[in-house]
Amino acid sequence: AQRVTQPEKLLSVFKGAPVELKCNYSYSGSPELFWYVQYSRQRLQLLLRHISRESIKGFTADLNKGETSFHLKKPFAQEEDSAMYYCALTGGYNQGGKLIFGQGTELSVKP
Amino acid sequence: DAGITQSPRHKVTETGTPVTLRCHQTENHRYMYWYRQDPGHGLRLIHYSYGVKDTDKGEVSDGYSVSRSKTEDFLLTLESATSSQTSVYFCAISRQGTPGDTQYFGPGTRLTVL
Repeated sequence: AQRVTQPEKLLSVFKGAPVELKCNYSYSGSPELFWYVQYSRQRLQLLLRHISRESIKGFTADLNKGETSFHLKKPFAQEEDSAMYYCALTGGYNQGGKLIFGQGTELSVKP
Repeated sequence: DAGITQSPRHKVTETGTPVTLRCHQTENHRYMYWYRQDPGHGLRLIHYSYGVKDTDKGEVSDGYSVSRSKTEDFLLTLESATSSQTSVYFCAISRQGTPGDTQYFGPGTRLTVL
């Protein structure tokens, strides 16, 4: 079954602490992995995607095919990182770009 | 924000009534999607469209229908709303629907079915 699992519903850290949001996936094939973010009162937006191996706002994510994980990391959390984070995957070129989302993790960064 | 709007932004309706949500884009993107967002479930795909009059079902399509008569508009209809369809509905668009394509999301419609 195709599935994305984010085991933490809520993650609370202090400003300046390292952050790791976990994401595990199940997919028969080679998916493309994404992290989307939804800040308060804003629409969902792409944070980063594995295919372009980019780092956005200090966040990085490494795809571990052996562990089927795509954890999101940031060495020093900022208060403005507080938001809802969704891990998502999409399949091959004949899948129409359909995204399968995880349940989401709410990140709260305290001063 | 990519040129995506949704209407209405908020709606309260009663069980058994029909409801239509509209997604409008000005980007001329080929692919359009409807997702619903529920606590504990994240976002789940309801239906998507890969061109005018071309649509397909998603993971949670029961009780929903869609139509796309022109590139810029994608309508989601609840034929007879139920309380289980209380949710936040998001429209998204992408240029080509390929794995590397970015999906751009609308602001969402909060629907309450009493």
